[in-house]
Amino acid sequence: DGGITQSPKYLFRKEGQNVTLSCEQNLNHDAMYWYRQDPGQGLRLIYYSQIVNDFQKGDIAEGYSVSREKKESFPLTVTSAQKNPTAFYLCASSAGTGLGEQYFGPGTRLTVT
Amino acid sequence: DAKTTQPPSMDCAEGRAANLPCNHSTISGNEYVYWYRQIHSQGPQYIIHGLKNNETNEMASLIITEDRKSSTLILPHATLRDTAVYYCIVRLGGEYGNKLVFGAGTILRVKS
Repeated sequence: DGGITQSPKYLFRKEGQNVTLSCEQNLNHDAMYWYRQDPGQGLRLIYYSQIVNDFQKGDIAEGYSVSREKKESFPLTVTSAQKNPTAFYLCASSAGTGLGEQYFGPGTRLTVT
Repeated sequence: DAKTTQPPSMDCAEGRAANLPCNHSTISGNEYVYWYRQIHSQGPQYIIHGLKNNETNEMASLIITEDRKSSTLILPHATLRDTAVYYCIVRLGGEYGNKLVFGAGTILRVKS
């Protein structure tokens, strides 16, 4: 089946540790995105990538880093510099940078204590 | 910030039409209206989008007013599985290209 996979679904870390969230797509999409969602709120854009080896900051990039070495993969690292890392993280992809729909993965719920 | 305003919640009886309103009074001429929904603890799902004409697909209908300042998403025969948060989004252009800006959305509760 084509789609976006995120792993793991639940992730627990101690404060001060970096953690990397996985996002893989087999839709042959050029563009990929990372969003963060806090309870009762909408999604906010962290980073996005329109093509391999290129990415741009979204609205809340501080404390996060990404890489796009392969078309199908767009991992997100939550660093210790992120003040409030506990959240629901969603990865998405789209066919291009036009107005096509974005397909979302199932999300990873990160809890940092 | 989101460019749309939606009611925080709505109820609908199972089998009836659910009409979800959205105001986007500052929309510009080349911006589209998109609707997504998010079932609890899952990723958002695309529903429909439009520019100025009414649109229909297998999931829903989108009615956009002539002045484009508001729109309504219609689920013709709501089921319990349609209970979700529905997001109305105006697609921003410029340097963000494909960026989606999500507001708080409308919680739709379909009741039997």
